[in-house]
Amino acid sequence: NAGVTQTPKFQVLKTGQSMTLQCAQDMNHEYMSWYRQDPGMGLRLIHYSVGAGITDQGEVPNGYNVSRSTTEDFPLRLLSAAPSQTSVYFCASRQGGNSPLHFGNGTRLTVT
Amino acid sequence: GDSVTQMEGPVTLSEEAFLTINCTYTATGYPSLFWYVQYPGEGLQLLLKATKADDKGSNKGFEATYRKETTSFHLEKGSVQVSDSAVYFCALSAAGYNFNKFYFGSGTKLNVKP
Repeated sequence: NAGVTQTPKFQVLKTGQSMTLQCAQDMNHEYMSWYRQDPGMGLRLIHYSVGAGITDQGEVPNGYNVSRSTTEDFPLRLLSAAPSQTSVYFCASRQGGNSPLHFGNGTRLTVT
Repeated sequence: GDSVTQMEGPVTLSEEAFLTINCTYTATGYPSLFWYVQYPGEGLQLLLKATKADDKGSNKGFEATYRKETTSFHLEKGSVQVSDSAVYFCALSAAGYNFNKFYFGSGTKLNVKP
């Protein structure tokens, strides 16, 4: 069982470039989310989805876009990368109710 | 609003020492509570959970009890090992219709020396 799979593991972008961070889960979870982790800031929610076709903003959504066309996939798009978006990005999913979040192994993004 | 506060680190212990990492929360109703562990270069892994008051979650020698009266969920281990060195996060899942809201503490780094 793969769980939550994120690609790529590492990425370097120049300011202004765009890219998509991929996230896929094989647990049939309805809820999926994206977090960024920065030193001293803990985990901050970027966007989340409660099912295919439904997305909503989290705490720090600016500069990011998401869509959810299938239950399995929840890509995160950086529209025009900025150095402030240098971070480690985690995708997470859960079944619902009081179930825990399951995390991917993260994507380390550097924007120069 | 809901929130989680955990003790700041780093915490440095010798092998076989007793570990306590404090976590308190603010929430309405009865949230679910979790401890996650993050090893270097990896994602967060669920360590243990408790879903109602007085529940005790346990895993790999770690324990935490859901204390409604003190709004706490402190993580304990009787004898730590070098392999326990990691960052530990306390988290809550809000109660009721907000159950998809997850709140994390800022993380506590644990260093265990041989």
